Amino acid sequence: KAGVTQTPRYLIKTRGQQVTLSCSPISGHRSVSWYQQTPGQGLQFLFEYFSETQRNKGNFPGRFSGRQFSNSRSEMNVSTLELGDSALYLCASRLGHITDTQYFGPGTRLTVL
Amino acid sequence: DAKTTQPTSMDCAEGRAANLPCNHSTISGNEYVYWYRQIHSQGPQYIIHGLKNNETNEMASLIITEDRKSSTLILPHATLRDTAVYYCIVRVAQGGATNKLIFGTGTLLAVQP
Repeated sequence: KAGVTQTPRYLIKTRGQQVTLSCSPISGHRSVSWYQQTPGQGLQFLFEYFSETQRNKGNFPGRFSGRQFSNSRSEMNVSTLELGDSALYLCASRLGHITDTQYFGPGTRLTVL
Repeated sequence: DAKTTQPTSMDCAEGRAANLPCNHSTISGNEYVYWYRQIHSQGPQYIIHGLKNNETNEMASLIITEDRKSSTLILPHATLRDTAVYYCIVRVAQGGATNKLIFGTGTLLAVQP
């Protein structure tokens, strides 16, 4: 079974632009979570989607948003990019029950210039 | 804030067992202990999890103390490819169907030849 896939793997943007990242969960998984990893803050939870609904949100500004489609694929969007948004963005999926294990994708490396 | 405490770094000789400790003294009765590892700039890889009993799989063993306030991840025969940051996580459950992982700083395990 294929793992979690994320596209693109690498991305370079300039300040003020917006960006959309995509995540395809493991087949049959209904929940997708997003995390941001930076050297200074480590791995931080952004939000989780389950059955197309946002179920939980981390402490990030409104510039960070996401959505989930009926096939469980998810996208996250960052508007008005800042230099500090440079990070590895990770997506994780799980089947759906609260006790299910989360499996991570390889991440998207975003660099903001 | 992370609910776990881990040593910042550890060394292990190749072929020997690596024992990674984790303190989670405030763990609640229905919270699981999860272990993930992250090889440089890749997505975190799930290793093992447990509630109160010791667990073993093809990758590692997890020993949880009887009071559940600490645990140890054991890699029985460490190889150079086991060099990674290892995260011990107490999984936080919110609401009825949400799940987020709170990562601490982890332990950098360096396997030496």
